[in-house]
Amino acid sequence: GENVEQHPSTLSVQEGDSAVIKCTYSDSASNYFPWYKQELGKGPQLIIDIRSNVGEKKDQRIAVTLNKTAKHFSLHITETQPEDSAVYFCAASTESRAGNQFYFGTGTSLTVIP
Amino acid sequence: DGGITQSPKYLFRKEGQNVTLSCEQNLNHDAMYWYRQDPGQGLRLIYYSQIVNDFQKGDIAEGYSVSREKKESFPLTVTSAQKNPTAFYLCASGQLYEQYFGPGTRLTVT
Repeated sequence: GENVEQHPSTLSVQEGDSAVIKCTYSDSASNYFPWYKQELGKGPQLIIDIRSNVGEKKDQRIAVTLNKTAKHFSLHITETQPEDSAVYFCAASTESRAGNQFYFGTGTSLTVIP
Repeated sequence: DGGITQSPKYLFRKEGQNVTLSCEQNLNHDAMYWYRQDPGQGLRLIYYSQIVNDFQKGDIAEGYSVSREKKESFPLTVTSAQKNPTAFYLCASGQLYEQYFGPGTRLTVT
């Protein structure tokens, strides 16, 4: 099955700096890569996603890049703000006869220091 | 969290008792999922369902059971056979590629 690895597990940045979180996946059949933000005690919230036919996608201060050859994808947050502090999860999804399954990384705890 | 509701938010049970966690969605999504979240381990798939009256086991289905009698509902039963049931349980629903999560239920078994 798919194996998703995520680094780093913790990340601290100064407010206004950029943050980068990286994930690798093992199954070349994976074709959809979402990123989720989870605040304490809440469910994960989808913040951005990318499909395998696209190399980069941007939404305001958030961007995701995908390198299919190397099987890795990254989340970039620019001009970080204290409210960006949360746990971020990457995931890879593979279509199957039984439908899409999602495989998650172990999460990155981001702290933005004011 | 959108149109996905999970109840209750906190649940306490004694060891040896079965307990059912509720998940309802009004997004008209075909697919529904149950995940378990433990500290430092990310999200692990318990069961998922792509259509009413059909569901598949995920990576950690042992000790759990589900039903999908209605499109809107996908309840999860944590049975006494689950050796370590204390965790944060997340329900999700989706259509095609996308997947959205509910607010979660924190289950504590003592």
